[in-house]
Amino acid sequence: GQNIDQPTEMTATEGAIVQINCTYQTSGFNGLFWYQQHAGEAPTFLSYNVLDGLEEKGRFSSFLSRSKGYSYLLLKELQMKDSASYLCAVMTNDYKLSFGAGTTVTVRA
Amino acid sequence: EPEVTQTPSHQVTQMGQEVILRCVPISNHLYFYWYRQILGQKVEFLVSFYNNEISEKSEIFDDQFSVERPDGSNFTLKIRSTKLEDSAMYFCASSERTDQETQYFGPGTRLLVL
Repeated sequence: GQNIDQPTEMTATEGAIVQINCTYQTSGFNGLFWYQQHAGEAPTFLSYNVLDGLEEKGRFSSFLSRSKGYSYLLLKELQMKDSASYLCAVMTNDYKLSFGAGTTVTVRA
Repeated sequence: EPEVTQTPSHQVTQMGQEVILRCVPISNHLYFYWYRQILGQKVEFLVSFYNNEISEKSEIFDDQFSVERPDGSNFTLKIRSTKLEDSAMYFCASSERTDQETQYFGPGTRLLVL
């Protein structure tokens, strides 16, 4: 089976930075995705990494190390609307997305 | 911006009844997927579909589930005889190609089986 681990919860202050780690052990690797999911809503695509290194997209950055089976999502200049669940997902060899359980981020004023 | 749409947004049904969940993928996308998320749990892959046939399916996708692309725009998930444990949020997704392409999710259908 696929094993994708991420912390359950994180709390941070508005304007701060939060880093959400994800480690994975999967049958094959065709890329790692980060999605944002507000309660009761669909996952929304944030970022995609397939090569090692950092991808930056505005306030959000994502990093990948394939040799370590590790990724992180960095959220900068946190805003209240960033309070959501952040899902780490790995695309395996059969082109399925396997999701982690999600990290609930709470942003406090 | 093109988006995946799903209907209905909510569906309540009695155990043993058949339900059909509908999805309209993004128009130029060729690959379609169904996922489900039981309340408080992670998103789980059900099935992928390309060129009018199933590409992959999970162990969850047993004989009571079926998918169909009845016309050029709709993609449906049918559950023949619903069980209590089928209560979940069902998400449809689509991508242009499977090969390292982003999957875009619809807003979901919340299914409640009583």
